[in-house]
Amino acid sequence: GNSVTQMEGPVTLSEEAFLTINCTYTATGYPSLFWYVQYPGEGLQLLLKATKADDKGSNKGFEATYRKETTSFHLEKGSVQVSDSAVYFCALETTSGSRLTFGEGTQLTVNP
Amino acid sequence: GAGVSQSPRYKVAKRGQDVALRCDPISGHVSLFWYQQALGQGPEFLTYFQNEAQLDKSGLPSDRFFAERPEGSVSTLKIQRTQQEDSAVYLCASSLRGQRGSGNTIYFGEGSWLTVV
Repeated sequence: GNSVTQMEGPVTLSEEAFLTINCTYTATGYPSLFWYVQYPGEGLQLLLKATKADDKGSNKGFEATYRKETTSFHLEKGSVQVSDSAVYFCALETTSGSRLTFGEGTQLTVNP
Repeated sequence: GAGVSQSPRYKVAKRGQDVALRCDPISGHVSLFWYQQALGQGPEFLTYFQNEAQLDKSGLPSDRFFAERPEGSVSTLKIQRTQQEDSAVYLCASSLRGQRGSGNTIYFGEGSWLTVV
């Protein structure tokens, strides 16, 4: 079946540090890949997505590249801010399915 | 409203009580999803509607869970005879098109937080 594995959290960084949150997946077919963010007290928001191999999704300084050979979609940001503190979820959607499969989430805390 | 709206935001139910959770998707959105998110976990798929048709209910954990979308817009998730393990955030989401697997953007509501005591 489909599954998503995220690096274990929580992650604590200082402002302006470099961020990487690892995500690997197992899926049949050719999935679309997503990163969602959940700020405290808010709903899930789509951060970025990539729909085919080698695509790079980017938004708000965050980037992730769809690597089919390593079945990965790692999230990166060059310089984090306090306002980036949130829970980040990696997810996939298969071409034959009607659902998103999520990872367990990674709590990011950025200190000033 | 502009986004997916869910009510109630918070619900405390006594074990054995029935609850109903409402979702107002974004106007015109064909697809509607329900997810269950336990504390500290990622959301888990429950069910999917395309307009009024429930095309996938394979994620519903038991026959105590029932969802409907009779007119293809508002949806209700009903949980009968609630148990403590039902305590979770119930997320509703919608997307514009009915075709899956196209990298459709799915918009989530803020969730209904259910606590069963």
